[in-house]
Amino acid sequence: SQQGEEDPQALSIQEGENATMNCSYKTSINNLQWYRQNSGRGLVHLILIRSNEREKHSGRLRVTLDTSKKSSSLLITASRAADTASYFCATDEGGSYIPTFGRGTSLIVHP
Amino acid sequence: NAGVTQTPKFQVLKTGQSMTLQCAQDMNHEYMSWYRQDPGMGLRLIHYSVGAGITDQGEVPNGYNVSRSTTEDFPLRLLSAAPSQTSVYFCASSLRQPGEQYFGPGTRLTVT
Repeated sequence: SQQGEEDPQALSIQEGENATMNCSYKTSINNLQWYRQNSGRGLVHLILIRSNEREKHSGRLRVTLDTSKKSSSLLITASRAADTASYFCATDEGGSYIPTFGRGTSLIVHP
Repeated sequence: NAGVTQTPKFQVLKTGQSMTLQCAQDMNHEYMSWYRQDPGMGLRLIHYSVGAGITDQGEVPNGYNVSRSTTEDFPLRLLSAAPSQTSVYFCASSLRQPGEQYFGPGTRLTVT
């Protein structure tokens, strides 16, 4: 069964705006990852955050993790049309390090 | 480096036929996985391997077989194709777990 669930399912914004998507999960995790998938392509890794970390940055990406609420958020600042893609969170449960993916958030950035 | 390669890109099978989806990586990664992606379902793990000679089942293993005789290759076999196996199949590899997974471009399979 899928561990992480992204919210919202779809997000439509204008170029230059910030995009925030959330991931909630059910059981304790070791790590949480975010991936991007452009239409018809394979997934590309964006960022990994460990359960003992609260925030990580990578370029225009900011990821937070709140283990007490079992949730994570991905913020893309100053979005560009090229950010149009689906975004997935992936979590691992307990002793397993093999990530389980959510259903994804579809982001459209209008130029 | 070619990264993770998958063949074929597209395949149409009739119900009951068998076939092998090929996956290879040239990064000397120990961990390899197969996922299927269906509309609205995200990615679901079929089988994975933590090294040559070691494989294990994921969330949806029924109807699929894997083997890992070398570090580089991780083929996925469909034993007797069914329409429910119509999907996009992705192979992924990583140097360590947890860690960044590198995905192949996918194989789009249709079973009629």
